[in-house]
Amino acid sequence: LAKTTQPISMDSYEGQEVNITCSHNNIATNDYITWYQQFPSQGPRFIIQGYKTKVTNEVASLFIPADRKSSTLSLPRVSLSDTAVYYCLVGDRAGANNLFFGTGTRLTVIP
Amino acid sequence: NAGVMQNPRHLVRRRGQEARLRCSPVKGHSHVYWYRQLPEEGLKFMVYLQKENIIDESGMPKERFSAEFPKEGPSILRIQQVVRGDSAAYFCASSPDRGYNYNEQFFGPGTRLTVL
Repeated sequence: LAKTTQPISMDSYEGQEVNITCSHNNIATNDYITWYQQFPSQGPRFIIQGYKTKVTNEVASLFIPADRKSSTLSLPRVSLSDTAVYYCLVGDRAGANNLFFGTGTRLTVIP
Repeated sequence: NAGVMQNPRHLVRRRGQEARLRCSPVKGHSHVYWYRQLPEEGLKFMVYLQKENIIDESGMPKERFSAEFPKEGPSILRIQQVVRGDSAAYFCASSPDRGYNYNEQFFGPGTRLTVL
C-alpha cells in the first residue's frame, strides 16, 4: 500500500471552506484514493473516493491532479459538527481488505 | 437498515482474564475486518474473515489473539490472558461481496477494552 502524508492538525472557523491535502508520491497505477472521517468514540466513515480529476458528492469534493501524487479533500462551509479526524488512504482493489490508516488530520472547527 | 453492531461497547478486564468482543456485520455482508486503535493513533488492521474462513491475519498478534466468523452468529475477537497493553478501542467493519466503492468498509462503534 502506498504511504500517505497529511498534516497532523488543522483549525478552521465555521462557514469556511477547508482543504486537506494528502501526499502519496508512490501511488500505483491501480490505486484509488479514499477518504474516511472519524468522530470521537466512533468508527471511521467513508466520505469519498476517486481515481483522477475531480469527484463530488453531497459531503465533499476530491481533487486529484494529473500526476496523482497528491489529493485534496475539500469540505465546503464547515460547521462545528465537522470536527473530526480525516484519513487519506491509497490502495487498489487487492488491498481493499487491509485498509491502512495513518494518523490522519485532526480538523477542529472553531465557532 | 442496521449498521455494524458491536458489543459490548465498553469492557473492563483484569490482567490474565479473557476478553470476548462481538461483531454483527451489516445484513448481507459476508466480509468482516477487525482493527485496533490506540489513543491518538490511526486504526491498525488485525484480521480479515469471510464466513468461516480467515483470509488475512497478518495484523494479528501470534499469541493470545484469535478471531472467528461462524456460519451463524456474530464474529468474535477473543483475547486470552489480557495484559495492560491490550487496552484499546477495537473496531469491526464489514463489506459486501460487490460494493459500489473500492476500499469501502462499514465500521461499527467499537468496543473500548480497559485492562486493569
